[in-house]
Amino acid sequence: DQQVKQNSPSLSVQEGRISILNCDYTNSMFDYFLWYKKYPAEGPTFLISISSIKDKNEDGRFTVFLNKSAKHLSLHIVPSQPGDSAVYFCAAVPGNEKLTFGTGTRLTIIP
Amino acid sequence: DAGVIQSPRHEVTEMGQEVTLRCKPISGHNSLFWYRQTMMRGLELLIYFNNNVPIDDSGMPEDRFSAKMPNASFSTLKIQPSEPRDSAVYFCASSLFAGLLFFGSGTRLTVV
Repeated sequence: DQQVKQNSPSLSVQEGRISILNCDYTNSMFDYFLWYKKYPAEGPTFLISISSIKDKNEDGRFTVFLNKSAKHLSLHIVPSQPGDSAVYFCAAVPGNEKLTFGTGTRLTIIP
Repeated sequence: DAGVIQSPRHEVTEMGQEVTLRCKPISGHNSLFWYRQTMMRGLELLIYFNNNVPIDDSGMPEDRFSAKMPNASFSTLKIQPSEPRDSAVYFCASSLFAGLLFFGSGTRLTVV
């Protein structure tokens, strides 16, 4: 049972445009959500997070939006840069329990 | 801070052999996680420890898999006997709290 779903395995975006990565979850107990970024041959690294008491969190070019009623979150990257090409994992955690990851979306930024 | 250190980076072994993956977490972190990355399931949690005690091993696929954490600075994940379907990248991660994990560079395991 995949509690965190990333339905787009890949996404290509022109440099300078906005990249939007989507994530859906099923467990209503999740109260903290994170995005991790992974380059080839490296481990995932933390990118940005959001608590369930908020609906938006922004950090530079990265913004995460949370829609609790729809159990949906999204990561916006604007403007997209070639260095943003990576696999992005959505993750969620209920309280202080274990983190559950999605299957990832491979983002390719086209110069 | 050296980060989470995993060894080996690559492992190629024959089916039926024992494989041991090693992890050194970040000093001071009290939780350690073992993940497996596959195309089909993404990052799959195998087991995690808190203060060296296994808390949840429900993700360990079979009895062929075992993990230990004898002290705060070292953990192993062992597969015995290994099978071709175990081929994947195995990540170790450590943290102070559940959300913010710091990952190692992973061990790419190939079982032929």
